[in-house]
Amino acid sequence: DGGITQSPKYLFRKEGQNVTLSCEQNLNHDAMYWYRQDPGQGLRLIYYSQIVNDFQKGDIAEGYSVSREKKESFPLTVTSAQKNPTAFYLCASQSAGGTDTQYFGPGTRLTVL
Amino acid sequence: AQSVTQPDIHITVSEGASLELRCNYSYGATPYLFWYVQSPGQGLQLLLKYFSGDTLVQGIKGFEAEFKRSQSSFNLRKPSVHWSDAAEYFCAAWMDSSYKLIFGSGTRLLVRP
Repeated sequence: DGGITQSPKYLFRKEGQNVTLSCEQNLNHDAMYWYRQDPGQGLRLIYYSQIVNDFQKGDIAEGYSVSREKKESFPLTVTSAQKNPTAFYLCASQSAGGTDTQYFGPGTRLTVL
Repeated sequence: AQSVTQPDIHITVSEGASLELRCNYSYGATPYLFWYVQSPGQGLQLLLKYFSGDTLVQGIKGFEAEFKRSQSSFNLRKPSVHWSDAAEYFCAAWMDSSYKLIFGSGTRLLVRP
């Protein structure tokens, strides 16, 4: 069954801790994306990767880091430098740019206690 | 600046009534346009997309959208709403110069029985 998986579904973290969100896809897509969603603000792009071992900052990259060592995987680390990390995080993948559809995972809700 | 605007934050319609959700974009050329739907706590699902050609696009779940270049709009419509259509709807545009999908802030649809 092809798709995108994100784990965990819910994540709780104490202030000052780093946490890593998992994103895996078996769609053989080259491009992968991380978005942050806050109520009333739509989706904002954190990082994206168009190919293995390469990634670029999106609009709100501060306090986040990523890696792309494998085509299937694009983990996101929320560091202690992120001032307001409580949010819903969505991962997406896309075969190529432009006309191809971005497919989304089910999301991870991160809550900082 | 490149942007996507959804002017309605909330819309409430009665079950069986028609629906139109508005979307406008700001871009010098014609972008690739998408409508996604999101149920609470879930990822986004693609409803339909427009790249070129026929300006009336049919999607899943009985939705359609019409691209109007003169108005820079891509409004989503459904002739008869079902209670299961209650969700948040996002319009998005892929603008080649930015190599990313730009989302509107979303419209939350409530359906009255």
